[in-house]
Amino acid sequence: DADVTQTPRNRITKTGKRIMLECSQTKGHDRMYWYRQDPGLGLQLIYYSFDVKDINKGEISDGYSVSRQAQAKFSLSLESAIPNQTALYFCATSDPYKGDTQYFGPGTRLTVL
Amino acid sequence: GQSLEQPSEVTAVEGAIVQINCTYQTSGFYGLSWYQQHDGGAPTFLSYNALDGLEETGRFSSFLSRSDSYGYLLLQELQMKDSASYFCAVTPHDYKLSFGAGTTVTVRA
Repeated sequence: DADVTQTPRNRITKTGKRIMLECSQTKGHDRMYWYRQDPGLGLQLIYYSFDVKDINKGEISDGYSVSRQAQAKFSLSLESAIPNQTALYFCATSDPYKGDTQYFGPGTRLTVL
Repeated sequence: GQSLEQPSEVTAVEGAIVQINCTYQTSGFYGLSWYQQHDGGAPTFLSYNALDGLEETGRFSSFLSRSDSYGYLLLQELQMKDSASYFCAVTPHDYKLSFGAGTTVTVRA
């Protein structure tokens, strides 16, 4: 079984809809992250959380919100989706004792029409 | 913030050696990492340098020079399966990881 899972894997929605992307992990890591990747570009950090009570904004948090329901679960929400949020979204965990190595989920491909 | 620059594309033949450079501008960081991403897939960790010098992991090696604000990933004995995108990333002191835009490596037969 995968250590980091994301649901859904693909989603097509319309402008203005509320969307939630979910992430679960079995690695036992406290640190979790949400990234966005646009074609031909690197990963941009949206939000990160170092434990259940800790939520921090990344470089592109506008238009997004997150919820850390448990150590193993970290959800990303788009309150009112817009077309330029069409992208590939990755959840990740990290191990601070291994240089904060990132372990990525399989990704969610989101299309906003 | 952090700024990382790496070449956008590299093409080489099977068996060759490829070096992907990464230059960065950051006020301070814990280390430099490298990730591989095959088309449509998730990035996977390759290597991490906390200290200056060379780290070797099989056919892949990574190097860091803090004084030169520079690092590189060395891919040896290239194989077709090495065709992918490679990203460098810094772990700054505030843990807001920054990634380079990625280098697409194409391996030809």
